[in-house]
Amino acid sequence: DGGITQSPKYLFRKEGQNVTLSCEQNLNHDAMYWYRQDPGQGLRLIYYSQIVNDFQKGDIAEGYSVSREKKESFPLTVTSAQKNPTAFYLCASSIGTGGAFFGQGTRLTVV
Amino acid sequence: AQKVTQAQTEISVVEKEDVTLDCVYETRDTTYYLFWYKQPPSGELVFLIRRNSFDEQNEISGRYSWNFQKSTSSFNFTITASQVVDSAVYFCALNDYKLSFGAGTTVTVRA
Repeated sequence: DGGITQSPKYLFRKEGQNVTLSCEQNLNHDAMYWYRQDPGQGLRLIYYSQIVNDFQKGDIAEGYSVSREKKESFPLTVTSAQKNPTAFYLCASSIGTGGAFFGQGTRLTVV
Repeated sequence: AQKVTQAQTEISVVEKEDVTLDCVYETRDTTYYLFWYKQPPSGELVFLIRRNSFDEQNEISGRYSWNFQKSTSSFNFTITASQVVDSAVYFCALNDYKLSFGAGTTVTVRA
């Protein structure tokens, strides 16, 4: 089945650790996105990539890093520089300006 | 600057009432797409509709309808004869090569 897979679904991180969230798509979409959602809040754009080996900062990129070495993969690393990383993270992909399809999300908790 | 504005934070209705969600967007591009997504309690975002900037025809899909007016930069969403299963957070989004979301409107339908 075509779709977007995010893993893990739940992730716990100790303070000071880097963690990487996985996002894989088999929809052959060029564009991929990472969003952060806090309780009762909307989606804020962290990073996006319109093409392989290229990506741009979104509205809240500080403390995060990404790579886009393959079309189907867009992993997000939450670094120790991100002071408040506990949130729900959503990955999406789209064809250009078309509709984005989302993964099921990863809930990250700092313990 | 906020590109997508959903002025209503929460709407509560009784089953079978109609509910309209407002969305106002801002972009300098002439080519763009607008979307509505539904986020049920499970957290996954469900794509509802896409509308491109050159198509101002209103659309109806079952109990859902959308009203796109470029003159007022609005893309409003109406649920007719609401049902309890419609309870969710609804997001309006704009893609002008950067997919931006509004803050969301929480809809609660009471039996």
